Amino acid sequence: KQEVTQIPAALSVPEGENLVLNCSFTDSAIYNLQWFRQDPGKGLTSLLLIQSSQREQTSGRLNASLDKSSGRSTLYIAASQPGDSATYLCASTGGGNKLTFGTGTQLKVEL
Amino acid sequence: SQTIHQWPATLVQPVGSPLSLECTVEGTSNPNLYWYRQAAGRGLQLLFYSVGIGQISSEVPQNLSASRPQDRQFILSSKKLLLSDSGFYLCAWSVQAIAQYFGPGTRLTVL
Repeated sequence: KQEVTQIPAALSVPEGENLVLNCSFTDSAIYNLQWFRQDPGKGLTSLLLIQSSQREQTSGRLNASLDKSSGRSTLYIAASQPGDSATYLCASTGGGNKLTFGTGTQLKVEL
Repeated sequence: SQTIHQWPATLVQPVGSPLSLECTVEGTSNPNLYWYRQAAGRGLQLLFYSVGIGQISSEVPQNLSASRPQDRQFILSSKKLLLSDSGFYLCAWSVQAIAQYFGPGTRLTVL
C-alpha cells in the first residue's frame, strides 16, 4: 500500500525567501506525481504534474522534481510572496488513476 | 475549457437524515470521476471512483454510496447520516490517467 509523507508539516518564512517542500512515497511504481495547493475552506488547485518518465516540471516561480528511484519529489518556490500562503499537497498516482495524498505542508509567508 | 461544479457548498444535517451531493463536469467527455473526503485533521481519502456511466468502485466500506446516472454527473448519497460523516467532500475528474482536477467542495456538518 502506497504511503505518502510530507515534511515539514508547517513552515513559516519571510517574504522573498526561496523554499523547498518535500514529499516522499514508499512505492516507486507510480504513473505520475501531482502537486496541489489548497486555500482554507477551498478545493484543490492543481499546480504541477510530473509524469513518471519526467524529472521535473516548471510553472512560473514553481519547480517540481521527481526521483522515482529514491521515492522523492520536491516543490521549489522561488521568491515567496504572502499570496503563496496555503497548504501544499502532493499525491502519487497509482493503478486505476487513484491518487494517494500526503498530509500536506502548511505554508505561511510573512511580510 | 473544462469546469467542475459541486453543490451545495455547505450543508448542515441531523444524524439519521439522508444525503445527496451532486457533482457535474462540463467541457469534457467520458471523464473518470472521483469522490474524496477530507476530515478535520486528516488527509484526503478516496471514497469512490467511476470510469463510466453506472460503473462505481468503492474504496472504503462506509455509510455512503455513489451513482453516475449520466456521463458527467456524479452523486454521493447516504440513507442515514452518522456524526462521522462530517467533513469536506471533494469531487474530481480526470481523462486518461493524467492530472486530476478538483471541484470547490461541499462542507458537510452532521449534528
